[in-house]
Amino acid sequence: KAGVTQTPRYLIKTRGQQVTLSCSPISGHRSVSWYQQTPGQGLQFLFEYFSETQRNKGNFPGRFSGRQFSNSRSEMNVSTLELGDSALYLCASSLEGNTEAFFGQGTRLTVV
Amino acid sequence: GENVEQHPSTLSVQEGDSAVIKCTYSDSASNYFPWYKQELGKRPQLIIDIRSNVGEKKDQRIAVTLNKTAKHFSLHITETQPEDSAVYFCALLAGGTSYGKLTFGQGTILTVHP
Repeated sequence: KAGVTQTPRYLIKTRGQQVTLSCSPISGHRSVSWYQQTPGQGLQFLFEYFSETQRNKGNFPGRFSGRQFSNSRSEMNVSTLELGDSALYLCASSLEGNTEAFFGQGTRLTVV
Repeated sequence: GENVEQHPSTLSVQEGDSAVIKCTYSDSASNYFPWYKQELGKRPQLIIDIRSNVGEKKDQRIAVTLNKTAKHFSLHITETQPEDSAVYFCALLAGGTSYGKLTFGQGTILTVHP
């Protein structure tokens, strides 16, 4: 069974631009969660999607948004990028959101 | 809201020794407690987990214990090996409607010296 796949692996963007990251969950998993990982703040929850609906949202500004498609693939978008958005963005998939969660390799975003 | 405190932040042991990492939490409704291992430049990898109706779980050299009354859970690694060197994160899933929302501890950098 293929694992969680995230694309792209690396991104360099300029302040003010926007970016879209993609996550393909493990086959059969319907819950996709997104996390931001930074050295200072650790792993912080962004949002979770299940059956194309956002069920939970973390404490991030509205510039961070996401969506989920009918095949459970998910995207997250960050608009008006700031230097502080530089981080490793991880997605995790699980069957229903209350069981084992498996992470993708992440997208390393650098904002210059 | 959910809060997880993880200690110690760094842990250095000799190969063959045991390592213990402890996490405390505040939300008594928390019902699922996974542990992740993250090697440098890699994804967090689920290594063991425990649910609130179980007090202890073992998988070879790794064990997790949960004390719901005291609201803490711990990771125990026995017979440590250099390849156990990594950052370890505890996490929890709160009860209720916290689907997919893992709250993580700050991480423990474990170094196993040969």
